[in-house]
Amino acid sequence: DAGITQSPRHKVTETGTPVTLRCHQTENHRYMYWYRQDPGHGLRLIHYSYGVKDTDKGEVSDGYSVSRSKTEDFLLTLESATSSQTSVYFCAISTPDRPTQYFGPGTRLTVL
Amino acid sequence: EDQVTQSPEALRLQEGESSSLNCSYTVSGLRGLFWYRQDPGKGPEFLFTLYSAGEEKEKERLKATLTKKESFLHITAPKPEDSATYLCAVQAGTGNQFYFGTGTSLTVIP
Repeated sequence: DAGITQSPRHKVTETGTPVTLRCHQTENHRYMYWYRQDPGHGLRLIHYSYGVKDTDKGEVSDGYSVSRSKTEDFLLTLESATSSQTSVYFCAISTPDRPTQYFGPGTRLTVL
Repeated sequence: EDQVTQSPEALRLQEGESSSLNCSYTVSGLRGLFWYRQDPGKGPEFLFTLYSAGEEKEKERLKATLTKKESFLHITAPKPEDSATYLCAVQAGTGNQFYFGTGTSLTVIP
């Protein structure tokens, strides 16, 4: 298994509160990604990082921000959570020379 | 606009009954097609990468094939432990983004 952990694994929060999800990898992979997974939709890319302090937006980035201050950690922040952000969030990693992405175990977030 | 379509959405098989899952795509500049397995409550687990039409990959009871418009995941003599959702993704163009299908939920009945 790829060395990827996500924390927390489950979280329940209220509308309007800030939330930060963490992805930690031990593989020293350069690229990291945040996806969300919802019924009826495939996994959708929120943000990705191609190096420390280098990030870019995916297709569903509104309402989310990210930060990557070191290779092993990629943080996803919901500045003010909304019910539409209730979802399962997955982190993934890859390297520049191989496009295959390896996924973490996921975080289930419920916004009430 | 759907770029990756998987069919069927759900499939129930008797143990030992072989079948195929389909992934069709409408992207230009395909760089790779990826198959994943996802069990309930877990992250997608990588199965195969295919890069060009005609390519085939095998792993145990699974075999993935690729044409210019679609990929098939063939399951030979499935067992109950093969029950899972199978996801297809494509990478195209110059970016690193993956485009995922919505998956096929496979149930293998003993």
